[in-house]
Amino acid sequence: DQQVKQNSPSLSVQEGRISILNCDYTNSMFDYFLWYKKYPAEGPTFLISISSIKDKNEDGRFTVFLNKSAKHLSLHIVPSQPGDSAVYFCAASKPGTASKLTFGTGTRLQVTL
Amino acid sequence: GAVVSQHPSRVICKSGTSVKIECRSLDFQATTMFWYRQFPKQSLMLMATSNEGSKATYEQGVEKDKFLINHASLTLSTLTVTSAHPEDSSFYICSARVRQGSYGYTFGSGTRLTVV
Repeated sequence: DQQVKQNSPSLSVQEGRISILNCDYTNSMFDYFLWYKKYPAEGPTFLISISSIKDKNEDGRFTVFLNKSAKHLSLHIVPSQPGDSAVYFCAASKPGTASKLTFGTGTRLQVTL
Repeated sequence: GAVVSQHPSRVICKSGTSVKIECRSLDFQATTMFWYRQFPKQSLMLMATSNEGSKATYEQGVEKDKFLINHASLTLSTLTVTSAHPEDSSFYICSARVRQGSYGYTFGSGTRLTVV
């Protein structure tokens, strides 16, 4: 039962354009969402997060949008850079569960020149 | 920033042997450590949650006797894959919450285990 889904396994974007990565979840108990970036054979690196009480959080080139009614969140990267090429995971957490994260399946972003 | 050091980064072992993976929090105390595994092109799946000084909590379907977790101190947690089989070959990653009450998770660099 995949409670956090990233339906696009891959995405290719031209340098300088906007990258939009999507994530859907099924469990309405999730109240905190995070995005991680991962390179092969390395651990994930935290990018940005958002609490369910907000609908937008911005940090530099990264913005996360949350639509609770649709159980959908998205990560916008603008402008995209070649160094952004990696696999991006969204993750979700429920209250009172020792902060366990449930990860999505990941989207591989390729930023081309 | 908070760093979790994970070793080894890569290990190849023979079927039937045991492998120990270590995760150390270098500049903070990790009361809770999470252990994940990732199969190729798949998500990170939580295996277990270890708390310093107590028994680990395993996720459904994860064999406790096969994946031994020890969290003997606030800076060290270990995962031992016992009697390893080829199907245990995977990428194992640990994660710790930087401080209580926050969502600042930091991850180790992962261990690629290959069982031959």
